[in-house]
This record gives sequence, C-alpha cells and structure tokens, in this order.
Amino acid sequence: QVQLQESGPGLVKPSQTLSLTCTVSGDSLSSGDHYWTWVRQPPGKGLEWIGYTYNSGNTYYSPSLSSRLSMSVDTSKNQFSLKLSSVTAADTAVYYCARDRGYGVNDYWGQGTLVTVSS
Amino acid sequence: QSALTQPASVSGSPGQSITISCTGTSSDVGAYNHVSWYQHHPGKAPKLMIYDVSYRPSGISNRFAGSKSANTASLTISGLQAEDEADYYCSSYASIRVVFGGGTKVTVL
Repeated sequence: QVQLQESGPGLVKPSQTLSLTCTVSGDSLSSGDHYWTWVRQPPGKGLEWIGYTYNSGNTYYSPSLSSRLSMSVDTSKNQFSLKLSSVTAADTAVYYCARDRGYGVNDYWGQGTLVTVSS
Repeated sequence: QSALTQPASVSGSPGQSITISCTGTSSDVGAYNHVSWYQHHPGKAPKLMIYDVSYRPSGISNRFAGSKSANTASLTISGLQAEDEADYYCSSYASIRVVFGGGTKVTVL
C-alpha cells in the first residue's frame, strides 16, 4: 500500500521560506513510474495545484508560483520536497503531497499539513 | 491559469441522483480526456473517484460516473447516500500543468 506523509514547520514568518518534505512508502521514487505532486488548500478555499517533480529532476510549476518555487527529489531517502520563498499570509494553507500517475491523476495523497504564515 | 468552474453547492435527498458540472476551456477540459474527480471530507486526504473523464479506480462504487462534452465535464452520483456528503473537486490536465475546479459542496438532505 502506497503511503505519503508530509512533514515540516507548522509556522513560518512572512518573507521567509516554507520548506516541506514528503516521505513515500510502498513505492520507489527511483523507479521513474510517477510524478510527485504538491497541492494546497487555503482556509475556506478550494484545492490549488502547486506543481510536480520527477525523479530525473524535471519539474513543472504553477505559473502563479513558479518564481518562488523549488521542488526536488531525494531518491536515497525516498522523499521529495517543496520550498516556497518570500511567503506571505496568502500562502497559509494545508499542503498535501500526492502521487501523480500521469496527466494529473493523483491516486495517493498524504493527510496534509497546515502551514501558517505569521509573525 | 484560471480555476475550472464548479457550482458552489449541490444537494439531494437519499436515493436521488445529482450531477456536478465542471466547466473549463478549449485549453484544458476541452483539449484532453484527462479530467479527474476527487471527494474530500474535511480533515482527510482527497480521494480519487474518477480519472480520464469516466474511469473509476478499483474500489470506487459504480454509483459514481463521469462524462464530458466539449469544455464541460460532469460527475453524477446516483443513489445518493449520507456518506457521499463531502466536497468534490474536478481537475484537468492542461499541457504539462494541472488545474483544479473551485469545489462543490454536496449536501445530502
């Protein structure tokens, strides 16, 4: 059974960098069979696609976040990560990691982690 | 890239059928047969219900059905049950990137 678990600070100060890691079990990131995705949900709002990464290092980002975004994969730890710089209160959200089996089909999701941007 | 358009809420009585629409453009929903639907109970992980417009993952009830016409995709839930009360999101592949709908709250009366 594939499982994903997000981890990282729950509180980030404005203008700093938000960093999250997703640990995957039950699948190998080095296999190259899937894309690894981040999605967020601001309080009271809908889901927003952030972007995905591939074990080759290829990344694809939401145009609205691309200038502040960085994603990477660590196959040795079976983890992938997200870094979002210069955060503001608008980046407060529950952040989910997910496995994309292609064409935006996210078949396995983490439980989500709330990140609050506040001083 | 704008979000796909979904109705804010849809309701129905147990046993009834409801349909949720998801309207995009010729660059996303209309261009690809890669529309997915997710069920989201607050505080839980979203759950894939439909992919590639009309395919159900293993374990998903056949009460859930997806379709598409031009730039609009639809999710129909038949035989509505209490446990179907949740938020539903559509998403579409859009040339490398993915776009979600704004979400629809389904209420079982």
